Amino acid sequence: AQTVTQSQPEMSVQEAETVTLSCTYDTSENNYYLFWYKQPPSRQMILVIRQEAYKQQNATENRFSVNFQKAAKSFSLKISDSQLGDTAMYFCALGRWGANSKLTFGKGITLSVRP
Amino acid sequence: DVKVTQSSRYLVKRTGEKVFLECVQDMDHENMFWYRQDPGLGLRLIYFSYDVKMKEKGDIPEGYSVSREKKERFSLILESASTNQTSMYLCASRPTDIYEQYFGPGTRLTVT
Repeated sequence: AQTVTQSQPEMSVQEAETVTLSCTYDTSENNYYLFWYKQPPSRQMILVIRQEAYKQQNATENRFSVNFQKAAKSFSLKISDSQLGDTAMYFCALGRWGANSKLTFGKGITLSVRP
Repeated sequence: DVKVTQSSRYLVKRTGEKVFLECVQDMDHENMFWYRQDPGLGLRLIYFSYDVKMKEKGDIPEGYSVSREKKERFSLILESASTNQTSMYLCASRPTDIYEQYFGPGTRLTVT
């Protein structure tokens, strides 16, 4: 069984500062994917960033980057230069390799960006 | 752009009613999913389908059924709605060779 743990339910950050959201996971698979999704208030869930487990290089998408530590089973999301539009719920998710793969989600963290 | 639509944003039903939640995707994706989202519990998978007429139970299938007669449409059915099924329901889809899922806007269902 796969599990994803997001232990911090809420975080707050000042606009323009950097914040890191934590995620740990457990899986017996060697090949898998990790994702961070963003759900703004009353809006649709969207993908923020993706990391393939076989890649050693950490994924980056503009102001968003991850720190992927495979041995420690840790997958944190760093948001640089936080903006008010980053206020949202963030979910960490894990999916195993394979045609009928499904995702296991963490409980999510509510991030508030203060002006 | 992938588009996943859900039939209603808000729905209010009475206990015991049969409820249909519809999800349609326009990108010919093989895989479709139904989740419920509750505060403090994250997203929990109810059912998923990897092909027309194929379905598999997720983590919390009790009280729900699904139907997938056409590739683009995946329906979630509450045979007899109960108050503990009050929740946000999210539909998602993905193609076979890509692992990220694309989500619909969600349906907030209230059962009174």
